[in-house]
Amino acid sequence: AQRVTQPEKLLSVFKGAPVELKCNYSYSGSPELFWYVQYSRQRLQLLLRHISRESIKGFTADLNKGETSFHLKKPFAQEEDSAMYYCALKGTGANNLFFGTGTRLTVIP
Amino acid sequence: SAVISQKPSRDICQRGTSLTIQCQVDSQVTMMFWYRQQPGQSLTLIATANQGSEATYESGFVIDKFPISRPNLTFSTLTVSNMSPEDSSIYLCSVVLYSINTEAFFGQGTRLTVV
Repeated sequence: AQRVTQPEKLLSVFKGAPVELKCNYSYSGSPELFWYVQYSRQRLQLLLRHISRESIKGFTADLNKGETSFHLKKPFAQEEDSAMYYCALKGTGANNLFFGTGTRLTVIP
Repeated sequence: SAVISQKPSRDICQRGTSLTIQCQVDSQVTMMFWYRQQPGQSLTLIATANQGSEATYESGFVIDKFPISRPNLTFSTLTVSNMSPEDSSIYLCSVVLYSINTEAFFGQGTRLTVV
């Protein structure tokens, strides 16, 4: 069975400090991993996907198959990064996404 | 990309009644997904709405409680039937576009409170 684990429900960091939001997954095949973000009063939207190996708004995430992790990182947190972050997995041949429980990031000015 | 309009955005309902949530997409999509997000919990898939056939429900969700309609490729409804306070949740409509990259798009959600 597939599972996405985000161990931290809440995470607070000071502005300018590094931030890491943890995500571990359990899946027997080769999944696609995503990070979705929900800013206050906005809808859930894609932040980045592991396939693209991109940096969005200074965030990066590397898929570590050995550790089955897909942690989200940013070297210098900004106040506008305060939001709810969800790690999500799409299994091979699946049509929908499977979400973790989310981490609420608060960046303290 | 896809733009999803979902309504109502919120409602307060009496127990025992039913609420129908509408989801309109600005492009034709084969599958639409309905999620539930209970307080402090993850998004849980309720069902996949396929045009021209019955919806496919996930374990723990049944058609009698959550009937779904999918009359065309741009529209779907989810009804929460015979509501109880335990149905208080956010309900989300979603579509996934499979082009060069896979991406899911979401409606703004319906915040339901059952009293």
